[in-house]
Amino acid sequence: EPEVTQTPSHQVTQMGQEVILRCVPISNHLYFYWYRQILGQKVEFLVSFYNNEISEKSEIFDDQFSVERPDGSNFTLKIRSTKLEDSAMYFCASSTLGQDNQPQHFGDGTRLSIL
Amino acid sequence: AQSVTQPDIHITVSEGASLELRCNYSYGATPYLFWYVQSPGQGLQLLLKYFSGDTLVQGIKGFEAEFKRSQSSFNLRKPSVHWSDAAEYFCAVVKMDSSYKLIFGSGTRLLVRP
Repeated sequence: EPEVTQTPSHQVTQMGQEVILRCVPISNHLYFYWYRQILGQKVEFLVSFYNNEISEKSEIFDDQFSVERPDGSNFTLKIRSTKLEDSAMYFCASSTLGQDNQPQHFGDGTRLSIL
Repeated sequence: AQSVTQPDIHITVSEGASLELRCNYSYGATPYLFWYVQSPGQGLQLLLKYFSGDTLVQGIKGFEAEFKRSQSSFNLRKPSVHWSDAAEYFCAVVKMDSSYKLIFGSGTRLLVRP
């Protein structure tokens, strides 16, 4: 069964540094998402991406965040200048939801630790 | 606004016992509902989904859930729990607009006694 893959599985970065989290969604999916889960808390929506543009973003997704689908297969989340509170598990998801009512498939996540 | 409530933060059951995890949603129209499971350090795995039709839906690993519109609930059940079911369980609803984003409940951590 096709999977969403995320790299790296764990990223440790100094505060103020830029990080790029990478995701390869399932190949025929059209909707792409990033979610965040701070340790011990619930999963929160960050941003959705469809047709090469952001379709919705949450209040968390401020100017320090950006997403890109640079080559038709990868879907990246960039945090320009990381803060301590950015430490969390970041999940990528993809789906065809909206066309055939398929659920979102999640990757295993990237654990981001800001020092 | 759409929301999902999981009233139980932790639940402990004995192996072999039955399980019910509660989920209540707030949504104006017919919701699309999901249960995901997260094992420690792992990603989110879809257990089952409800879009329409039969209100009792079957999922993987022997789980089922029942949609009750009158109670705005979508409770997850399993007749006999295995030790490997110990994990965090998340109920979620899709926000049916341009993004189709998932709105998650706060999760229920299941502990299984041997």
